[in-house]
Amino acid sequence: AQSVTQPDIHITVSEGASLELRCNYSYGATPYLFWYVQSPGQGLQLLLKYFSGDTLVQGIKGFEAEFKRSQSSFNLRKPSVHWSDAAEYFCAVNTGFQKLVFGTGTRLLVSP
Amino acid sequence: DSGVTQTPKHLITATGQRVTLRCSPRSGDLSVYWYQQSLDQGLQFLIQYYNGEERAKGNILERFSAQQFPDLHSELNLSSLELGDSALYFCASSGLAGGPETQYFGPGTRLLVL
Repeated sequence: AQSVTQPDIHITVSEGASLELRCNYSYGATPYLFWYVQSPGQGLQLLLKYFSGDTLVQGIKGFEAEFKRSQSSFNLRKPSVHWSDAAEYFCAVNTGFQKLVFGTGTRLLVSP
Repeated sequence: DSGVTQTPKHLITATGQRVTLRCSPRSGDLSVYWYQQSLDQGLQFLIQYYNGEERAKGNILERFSAQQFPDLHSELNLSSLELGDSALYFCASSGLAGGPETQYFGPGTRLLVL
């Protein structure tokens, strides 16, 4: 069965600094990969997705993620973090017309 | 705004009661998914419907049931509620626009069982 690991429960980044959130997945073939963001008291917003092709994908709010097959990773990055980026970030995998399997999430704190 | 709507936003009820959560998918989406988010279990898939038919089932309790109606809205019924059912319940939908594998989430219904 597929699984997703987000090894960092919390990350604190200074405003203006770069960000990288880690995500590793377990699946035999290339899955469909997603990053979602959840602001306090809000729903899940899709940041970006990878299905195939270019392994560097661009998303909303200045985020990007890189798919690395050899490392089974799909890390999320942002060159300069804004205070409004403070939220919880979820990596997820989907192997078809079915459920998303989510990681446990990484809570991002942004310090001034 | 994802285009997925859920009602109610908040629900407070007592143990042993029954509640119904409602979800309207994005226009044109045929699939509806239900997820539960709790502190101890994280985000867990419950069930999927596609064009009125159950398509996939996850860790959904027997006390819980769902259905999708001809107008494609869906309802999640939770009965004999227990304290541990307190959670955030999300509905998501997917369809051809954005790809069938891309799920768009509603704002959720926060259920508190007292």
